[in-house]
Amino acid sequence: AQKITQTQPGMFVQEKEAVTLDCTYDTSDPSYGLFWYKQPSSGEMIFLIYQGSYDQQNATEGRYSLNFQKARKSANLVISASQLGDSAMYFCAMRGAIQGAQKLVFGQGTRLTINP
Amino acid sequence: DGGITQSPKYLFRKEGQNVTLSCEQNLNHDAMYWYRQDPGQGLRLIYYSQIVNDFQKGDIAEGYSVSREKKESFPLTVTSAQKNPTAFYLCASSMGWERNYGYTFGSGTRLTVV
Repeated sequence: AQKITQTQPGMFVQEKEAVTLDCTYDTSDPSYGLFWYKQPSSGEMIFLIYQGSYDQQNATEGRYSLNFQKARKSANLVISASQLGDSAMYFCAMRGAIQGAQKLVFGQGTRLTINP
Repeated sequence: DGGITQSPKYLFRKEGQNVTLSCEQNLNHDAMYWYRQDPGQGLRLIYYSQIVNDFQKGDIAEGYSVSREKKESFPLTVTSAQKNPTAFYLCASSMGWERNYGYTFGSGTRLTVV
């Protein structure tokens, strides 16, 4: 079975600071993908970043980067220079290549609040 | 532009009624999914479909039903058997089931029992 754990229910950060959202995972699939989504108060789910398990480099997308540590089974999201608009729920998810291929498995989410 | 359309955005249901939530995609995606989200909580999978005329139960399928008669459409019916249907419902689609295929989500339907 696959599992995603996000241990931070909520985080409060000052504007312009960097923030790290934690995500650990468990899977028996030898190959898998890891995703981060943002959910603002409007409810829509916005894709942020993807990391493949065999990718040699950490993924980056603008102010978002993924700190991927395969041996520790962690895939933390780093947001640099946080903005007020970053306040939202953030979900980590994974998809296995074999056993877990049919669907994404999501964590419980972290609610990030950016203070001015 | 391609995407997923969920309707209605808000839905009110009287107790004992069945209601149907619409989900339509023009992305030519094979797989479609329905999730339920309660306030401040994560996503729980209700049903998913990988191909037309086939679907599988997710983790909380009781009280819900779906159909997949067309590739573009995956409607969800919340039946009177669902004891606590008030929640936010998200529909998603995926090109396939490769490990690098994430989801495209609709904007959601907020269902309230009155």
